[in-house]
Amino acid sequence: EVQLVESGGGLVQPGGSLKLSCTPSGFTFSDSTIYWVRQASGKGLEWVGRIGSKTNNYATAYGASVKGRFTISRDDSKNTAYLQMNSLKSDDTALYYCSRLWANWNAFDIWGQGTMVTVSS
Amino acid sequence: SYELTQPPSVSVSPGQTASITCSGDKLGDKYTYWYQQKPGQSPVLVIYQDNKRPSGIPERFSGSNSGNTATLTISATQSTDEADYYCQAWDTTTVVFGGGTKLTVL
Repeated sequence: EVQLVESGGGLVQPGGSLKLSCTPSGFTFSDSTIYWVRQASGKGLEWVGRIGSKTNNYATAYGASVKGRFTISRDDSKNTAYLQMNSLKSDDTALYYCSRLWANWNAFDIWGQGTMVTVSS
Repeated sequence: SYELTQPPSVSVSPGQTASITCSGDKLGDKYTYWYQQKPGQSPVLVIYQDNKRPSGIPERFSGSNSGNTATLTISATQSTDEADYYCQAWDTTTVVFGGGTKLTVL
């Protein structure tokens, strides 16, 4: 089955850090560009960032609200993408999804189930 | 920055046609994508590149895009189509999502 599984979410204090993981199955992860998208409770989808494949020199890009605080990386040998989140704020509280960008369509064709991050004291 | 605007809610009676719009500056010059998200579930791609359906998406889902507006049309709407729908486009290499539309089937 083709899927993505996120993990690593939890409760963290403001100013703290957390690292999320995204693990795929059923497709060639190393060829894929992976996006992180978040969704606050009752709100819409917000792009967090992305990491390209080796072919794209593992290029990263970030949304304005997280730039400078979040870092995306990947380890293709472990078939895992990561989202390192630092200097967390209450506004970062959300369900975090990873998703595959299917290059043929330039669309997000696979989404994980999400992992919840709560920033609160 | 580029913005996509959707109506917060749309209502439709079962068996009727639902239309959900997505507006953006010269949106017709870009491809538009549509995602369905049911409560407690992850988004699912239902339309890509304006009007193409992924495998497994019913034919009653269709899309169009022209001028400043893209439209997701659901024909013969069923209760199972009740969900939030998000449009998405690319502003050069940056992904942009619309605010989402809650489709109520009643």
